[in-house]
Amino acid sequence: EAGVTQSPTHLIKTRGQQATLRCSPISGHTSVYWYQQALGLGLQFLLWYDEGEERNRGNFPPRFSGRQFPNYSSELNVNALELEDSALYLCASTPLGLTTDTQYFGPGTRLTVL
Amino acid sequence: DQQVKQNSPSLSVQEGRISILNCDYTNSMFDYFLWYKKYPAEGPTFLISISSIKDKNEDGRFTVFLNKSAKHLSLHIVPSQPGDSAVYFCAPSARRSNYQLIWGAGTKLIIKP
Repeated sequence: EAGVTQSPTHLIKTRGQQATLRCSPISGHTSVYWYQQALGLGLQFLLWYDEGEERNRGNFPPRFSGRQFPNYSSELNVNALELEDSALYLCASTPLGLTTDTQYFGPGTRLTVL
Repeated sequence: DQQVKQNSPSLSVQEGRISILNCDYTNSMFDYFLWYKKYPAEGPTFLISISSIKDKNEDGRFTVFLNKSAKHLSLHIVPSQPGDSAVYFCAPSARRSNYQLIWGAGTKLIIKP
């Protein structure tokens, strides 16, 4: 069974540009979570999508946005990139249902803003 | 406001000995606690969890202890093996509120041969 996949692996942008990161959950999983891990810090919760809807949002500015498609894959968009947006962006998925907290993670996208 | 603290950024342990990783939290609403393990260039993987109704959960070489009154949990790995070298994250959640996990900063465990 394929795990969570993310693309691209690495992304280099300049300040002010936009970045789009993609995530495909495990087959059968309907919830997708996005996290940011800046260097030396823990995972900071960004967004949670379930069944195409945004269910919860972390403490990030509105230029961080995303969406979930009918096939449950997801996109994270970061507009007006700033240097401090440089981080590892992780996507995780969970099965349908709210009884599990175990999240399955992809390998991440390393975003570098120059 | 750091709700979850892993005060040791790194820990070095001899192979075969016990590794003890600690995690402190402040939010009394947390009722479910997970530990994840992360290797470089990979996403975190679930390791072990404990519910607030228990004070100990064991899975092979891994045991998690929960002290609710002290708002403290610890992960014990015994015996430690080279493959245990990784970053370990403590991630509590409050199941009554959107199941959002709150992550600690992680502890890098290094197992010395």
